[in-house]
Amino acid sequence: AQSVTQLDSQVPVFEEAPVELRCNYSSSVSVYLFWYVQYPNQGLQLLLKYLSGSTLVESINGFEAEFNKSQTSFHLRKPSVHISDTAEYFCAVSTFNDYKLSFGAGTTVTVRA
Amino acid sequence: EAQVTQNPRYLITVTGKKLTVTCSQNMNHEYMSWYRQDPGLGLRQIYYSMNVEVTDKGDVPEGYKVSRKEKRNFPLILESPSPNQTSLYFCASSLPGGGYTFGSGTRLTVV
Repeated sequence: AQSVTQLDSQVPVFEEAPVELRCNYSSSVSVYLFWYVQYPNQGLQLLLKYLSGSTLVESINGFEAEFNKSQTSFHLRKPSVHISDTAEYFCAVSTFNDYKLSFGAGTTVTVRA
Repeated sequence: EAQVTQNPRYLITVTGKKLTVTCSQNMNHEYMSWYRQDPGLGLRQIYYSMNVEVTDKGDVPEGYKVSRKEKRNFPLILESPSPNQTSLYFCASSLPGGGYTFGSGTRLTVV
């Protein structure tokens, strides 16, 4: 079975500063990796995903994540955050032959002016 | 528009009164799943379904039932709700390896 650990539960950050959200996973087989974002009082939206190929994946709103197989990590980064990036972020993993998505506990990002 | 539709969005009920939360998807996905979200615990899978008439337990199935009579619908049933089932519930559907599409959520309070 796979599992996910998000190393930070709360990340306060100032507007226009960089942010990194850490995610580590464990699995005995090859994985697919995802980051979801949940804005206040909304559902979950897919931010970006790694299925195969380039280990660096990017989203349309400036986030990027890098798959590091040796460190079993999939950290999420953004070089300059906006107030509108205030949300909860979830890292998730599934495996090649399994639809099940296992989630981390989430990281709450609060962006202050 | 491709979407997963859950109803109701908000529900307050009393202990022991049976309730059903509906979920419908219009993407012809075979796989559907229910999750509950609780602070500090992330999302935990309750039940999932690989296809019509094929359902199985997730990580926290106690106190819940599901059915999958049609491909598009996957209702969540609480036969006798208890206060520890107060939570935010999400339905999702998926293609293999493609990530999930989530519904907007149902906030359930059991008093």
